[in-house]
Amino acid sequence: EDQVTQSPEALRLQEGESSSLNCSYTVSGLRGLFWYRQDPGKGPEFLFTLYSAGEEKEKERLKATLTKKESFLHITAPKPEDSATYLCAVQAYSGGGADGLTFGKGTHLIIQP
Amino acid sequence: DTGVSQDPRHKITKRGQNVTFRCDPISEHNRLYWYRQTLGQGPEFLTYFQNEAQLEKSRLLSDRFSAERPKGSFSTLEIQRTEQGDSAMYLCASSLMTYEQYFGPGTRLTVT
Repeated sequence: EDQVTQSPEALRLQEGESSSLNCSYTVSGLRGLFWYRQDPGKGPEFLFTLYSAGEEKEKERLKATLTKKESFLHITAPKPEDSATYLCAVQAYSGGGADGLTFGKGTHLIIQP
Repeated sequence: DTGVSQDPRHKITKRGQNVTFRCDPISEHNRLYWYRQTLGQGPEFLTYFQNEAQLEKSRLLSDRFSAERPKGSFSTLEIQRTEQGDSAMYLCASSLMTYEQYFGPGTRLTVT
């Protein structure tokens, strides 16, 4: 069974204080690893897809990296508007062509001004 | 690109009643997914369609749940004989083939 574990569960940072969020995964065969941002009461917003170990993607203050067992979301000099829950999900290859994502519980990030 | 839309945004119902939710995907996307999310948890996969064919169902999708996607356009998710444990956010997502999934705003269901 595919599993995704995110840490920490919650993180409080000062504005400008850089940090990293962790996503550890167990999957039979990784098709892709996805990062989403979710604001309260809203649907997840797509951020990045990573397909193979060593791959990196960047967007504004966010950078996502991937190894064979985990992914990191690095946040550089965050601003209060970066406050949200960040979700990690994996999509696995399977004989049945399953495409449903398996999500972690998320990291609740608060950036204080 | 108007994004994925869901209707209604909120639904309050009494235990035992049936409810139906609608999802309109991004127009050129051929795959449509349903997820359920409870407080403090990540979304859990329920089922997905490629065009009008329902290709996968999670074990979470009990016999009280049914989904359709007529003509490969919008989709409906119906829950029969609702239970308090059905209270959750129901999310719809769409994608073009196996690429990234884009989510709608969700339908918040409260069963009293």
